[in-house]
Amino acid sequence: EVQLVQSGAEVKKPGESLKISCQGSGYSFATYWIGWVRQMPGKGLEWMGAIYPGDSDTRYSPSFQGQVTISADKSISAAYLQWSSLKASDTAMYYCARLPGVPAADCYFDYWGQGTLVTVSS
Amino acid sequence: SYELTQPPSVSVSPGQTARITCSGDALPKQYAYWYQEKPGQAPVLVIYKDSERPSGIPERFSGSSSGTTVTLTISGVQAEDEADYYCQSADSSGTYVVFGGGTKVTVL
Repeated sequence: EVQLVQSGAEVKKPGESLKISCQGSGYSFATYWIGWVRQMPGKGLEWMGAIYPGDSDTRYSPSFQGQVTISADKSISAAYLQWSSLKASDTAMYYCARLPGVPAADCYFDYWGQGTLVTVSS
Repeated sequence: SYELTQPPSVSVSPGQTARITCSGDALPKQYAYWYQEKPGQAPVLVIYKDSERPSGIPERFSGSSSGTTVTLTISGVQAEDEADYYCQSADSSGTYVVFGGGTKVTVL
């Protein structure tokens, strides 16, 4: 069974750094892209970027380029999303999801993690 | 930047048909995908490649495409179908993933 399990909720202060994780199991982790999706409170889904764990090829949405870093460690089947300096506007639910295709044409999200709620508040 | 446009809300009575549209200039070139999101839950893929249904998704969910508009149809709507629905596709160059703004389906 394919599963993506994300790290737990985080409460941070503005300016702090953060790295959240997404652990894959039940499939060949290195051979599928993993994407990250943001959902701000009461808002819609936004694609942030994706990574191919096999070679760490990474692609970012223009809206998130330079704002976050996506990485992966195929040896432990994990993908990461990190911030160097959080802002209050980073408060959101963050989902990882598997992509059975190459971003962005013909790609979609077939399995999703449960989400990680990040709250940034002073 | 490229956008996909959905109506904010659709209301439907149980047993009736709900149709949710998604419009975008690149849709004639790029496939569309649909997700269902219920409160407190992660999104679930309900349609891929315009009209294909993943295993485990009820047959009442169907998708279609015509020009710059794709449509998710829920036939014989049930109370459990009340949710937010998002379309997703790519820009014309196939570089960026894009989501529509979402449509809240209310079952009256």
